[in-house]
Amino acid sequence: DGGITQSPKYLFRKEGQNVTLSCEQNLNHDAMYWYRQDPGQGLRLIYYSQIVNDFQKGDIAEGYSVSREKKESFPLTVTSAQKNPTAFYLCASSFWAATGELFFGEGSRLTVL
Amino acid sequence: GDSVTQMEGPVTLSEEAFLTINCTYTATGYPSLFWYVQYPGEGLQLLLKATKADDKGSNKGFEATYRKETTSFHLEKGSVQVSDSAVYFCALSREFQGAQKLVFGQGTRLTINP
Repeated sequence: DGGITQSPKYLFRKEGQNVTLSCEQNLNHDAMYWYRQDPGQGLRLIYYSQIVNDFQKGDIAEGYSVSREKKESFPLTVTSAQKNPTAFYLCASSFWAATGELFFGEGSRLTVL
Repeated sequence: GDSVTQMEGPVTLSEEAFLTINCTYTATGYPSLFWYVQYPGEGLQLLLKATKADDKGSNKGFEATYRKETTSFHLEKGSVQVSDSAVYFCALSREFQGAQKLVFGQGTRLTINP
């Protein structure tokens, strides 16, 4: 089945530690995205990538980093510089220049202890 | 900048009731408009979309019409079911250098009681 796989589903981290969230897609989509979801605030864009080896900051990129070495993969690192990292993180993908339909993974819930 | 405003939740209805979730937007030009749905513990799924003024998107008994004059895209369903319980997000989209930049509303939690 084609889709987007995020892992881990749940992750706990101590303050001061970096953590990497995995996102893999087998939809042959060009563009990939990371969103953060907080209660009552909707989704906010962290980073996005249109093609391999290129990515752009979204609205809340501070404290996060990404890489896009392969078309299928777009991992997100939450660094210790992120002041409030506890959240639900969603990865998505889309065809290049498609009319706005994003396909989402099931999300990763990060809790900082 | 672009923004989307949804009616505040939570919304609680009885089965077979009529549903309206209001959504208005602020944007320059004519963005595409979407409703996404998020079931408990899952990611978002596209429910319906409209890409130009007066278009009506529909899926699974849900409908929404792109109203340019009122900058609205209200979601409606004539008879809701318990299985419709979820969080609903209104969003607008712009294509930007090959990527789709979605701007989401804050979400409306819907609970349907049997």
